[in-house]
Amino acid sequence: SQLAEENSWALSVHEGESVTVNCSYKTSITALQWYRQKSGKGPAQLILIRSNEREKRNGRLRATLDTSSQSSSLSITATRCEDTAVYFCATPDDTNAYKVIFGKGTHLHVLP
Amino acid sequence: EAAVTQSPRNKVTVTGGNVTLSCRQTNSHNYMYWYRQDTGHGLRLIHYSYGAGNLQIGDVPDGYKATRTTQEDFFLLLELASPSQTSLYFCASSDAGGEEEQYFGPGTRLTVL
Repeated sequence: SQLAEENSWALSVHEGESVTVNCSYKTSITALQWYRQKSGKGPAQLILIRSNEREKRNGRLRATLDTSSQSSSLSITATRCEDTAVYFCATPDDTNAYKVIFGKGTHLHVLP
Repeated sequence: EAAVTQSPRNKVTVTGGNVTLSCRQTNSHNYMYWYRQDTGHGLRLIHYSYGAGNLQIGDVPDGYKATRTTQEDFFLLLELASPSQTSLYFCASSDAGGEEEQYFGPGTRLTVL
């Protein structure tokens, strides 16, 4: 069952601009993760935000979690060309705590 | 030091061929996972394990076997490869299952002709 989905397939911004990737999920969750996958690499976690947190930061990254609307966002400020990547949200499977369900990803292109 | 390694990085085989993908983690994690990644589908779980000798079926297991020989080593076996198994395969490890970070390997690109 697909629990988490990003809301955009692709986004383009110019270097220096800010961008937000959104994610919606379908059931109550205990935590939500954001991952980034650069071309030719495996995904790498950016932020893990738990259900009792509303916001979490990691450098230029800021994740929010709204449990009432079952949505999350990942904002990147002062984007750089090296932020070009696919961004995934991921949640624990609601029927199996050992599993993580990944969204299909948002392709972000940061243009010079 | 890379904590999750995969081999080979690229593999080409023919239909009906026998392929083994290897994964090793040095994170001392109990949980290990095999995913395939295809355009339009994202990451899909094939098999996973929560310890040596343990194997659990994932969401797309058909045509795949897996074996966890030690805490560090997890193998994915395709005994009769088909073109539909052409994909990018990732191994991952995790300390505590679905609520914690998964550490991914660099991936293996498999082509079945």
